Amino acid sequence: AQSVAQPEDQVNVAEGNPLTVKCTYSVSGNPYLFWYVQYPNRGLQFLLKYITGDNLVKGSYGFEAEFNKSQTSFHLKKPSALVSDSALYFCAVREGSGGSYIPTFGRGTSLIVHP
Amino acid sequence: ETGVTQTPRHLVMGMTNKKSLKCEQHLGHNAMYWYKQSAKKPLELMFVYSLEERVENNSVPSRFSPECPNSSHLFLHLHTLQPEDSALYLCASSQQASGPHNEQFFGPGTRLTVL
Repeated sequence: AQSVAQPEDQVNVAEGNPLTVKCTYSVSGNPYLFWYVQYPNRGLQFLLKYITGDNLVKGSYGFEAEFNKSQTSFHLKKPSALVSDSALYFCAVREGSGGSYIPTFGRGTSLIVHP
Repeated sequence: ETGVTQTPRHLVMGMTNKKSLKCEQHLGHNAMYWYKQSAKKPLELMFVYSLEERVENNSVPSRFSPECPNSSHLFLHLHTLQPEDSALYLCASSQQASGPHNEQFFGPGTRLTVL
């Protein structure tokens, strides 16, 4: 079975400060990990993914995420937050080859960036 | 926005009505998905199609009936819905259903209200 947890319903950060949105996961084998963002009245947009290789993954809009196998985490980060980053962020996980190909999504974390 | 379009964007229907949601992807993908997004709940996967064949059906009530006539189009036929079916219905596509390249691209959604 696979699962993903986003422990924070909401994250508040001031513009220009670094931001982190947390995600932890559980899978039987190797994980494929994804981050998506959802702006109001829009569908989810793919930001980045980890499949294999470097633990630090870079994605769209200056976001990056760090895969940590020992802590089973895949936190989303950005060095300097923008007001326009305010949105709902979803982490998703699925098992790698041999496992279910259907991703499991977290409940989402609302990021609010204050001017 | 993403190459995945959905119509209509908003739909209000009575419990005895029959309506259909339409999704079209212009990305050349082989897999398509229907999700239900309700407030305060995790994203719920409803159906998955791979190369026009249904490969996943997550115990969805029979009042929801999917149709995938080709790899670019996906429909969700609705009949005798309940007020609790009111939600945002998201369509998504991915290059493949399995393997490492199945990050999903979402449409903007159809906001459904059942009276």
